[in-house]
Amino acid sequence: KQEVTQIPAALSVPEGENLVLNCSFTDSAIYNLQWFRQDPGKGLTSLLLIQSSQREQTSGRLNASLDKSSGRSTLYIAASQPGDSATYLCAVRNQAGTALIFGKGTTLSVSS
Amino acid sequence: EPEVTQTPSHQVTQMGQEVILRCVPISNHLYFYWYRQILGQKVEFLVSFYNNEISEKSEIFDDQFSVERPDGSNFTLKIRSTKLEDSAMYFCASRGQGNSPLHFGNGTRLTVT
Repeated sequence: KQEVTQIPAALSVPEGENLVLNCSFTDSAIYNLQWFRQDPGKGLTSLLLIQSSQREQTSGRLNASLDKSSGRSTLYIAASQPGDSATYLCAVRNQAGTALIFGKGTTLSVSS
Repeated sequence: EPEVTQTPSHQVTQMGQEVILRCVPISNHLYFYWYRQILGQKVEFLVSFYNNEISEKSEIFDDQFSVERPDGSNFTLKIRSTKLEDSAMYFCASRGQGNSPLHFGNGTRLTVT
């Protein structure tokens, strides 16, 4: 059964720092991996989707990498801003099935 | 940008009552989903729906739950007889063909008293 783990659970950084959020999954037979942002009491906003054949995706200050064989993905945030404060969720879709399986998230706080 | 919309944003109901949560997916999307998030826990998959039928469901999605796409735009989740443990945020999501990203609504917070 696929399990997704995110480390750290929480992270506090000063504005301007570059940071890395980690995601690991137990079954490497994935179809894709998606990173989301969740603000308190709100829905999930899709940030990046990496297909299983890809190694990374970039959008603005965000870069997500995927190492399928080792079951890891990282989300790199450059030059963090207070507006980046949110919970970041990693989710994988297995090759068999259509469901996304989520990690518990990393709650990021960026102070000005 | 098109978005998934959910109503109501908050629903309070008594144990044993039926509730219907409503969603309008993005108009050209073909795959529809319901997820839930109990406070402080992971987002959990409930059910996926494609071509007017359930394509996958989790063990959470028991006989108390049902989904329907009554017309070309709405997608509903019905809980027949709510329990206290059904209290959660329920998210609707949709996506297009192939390897396209999943788009979520803002959720309905269901409180069962």
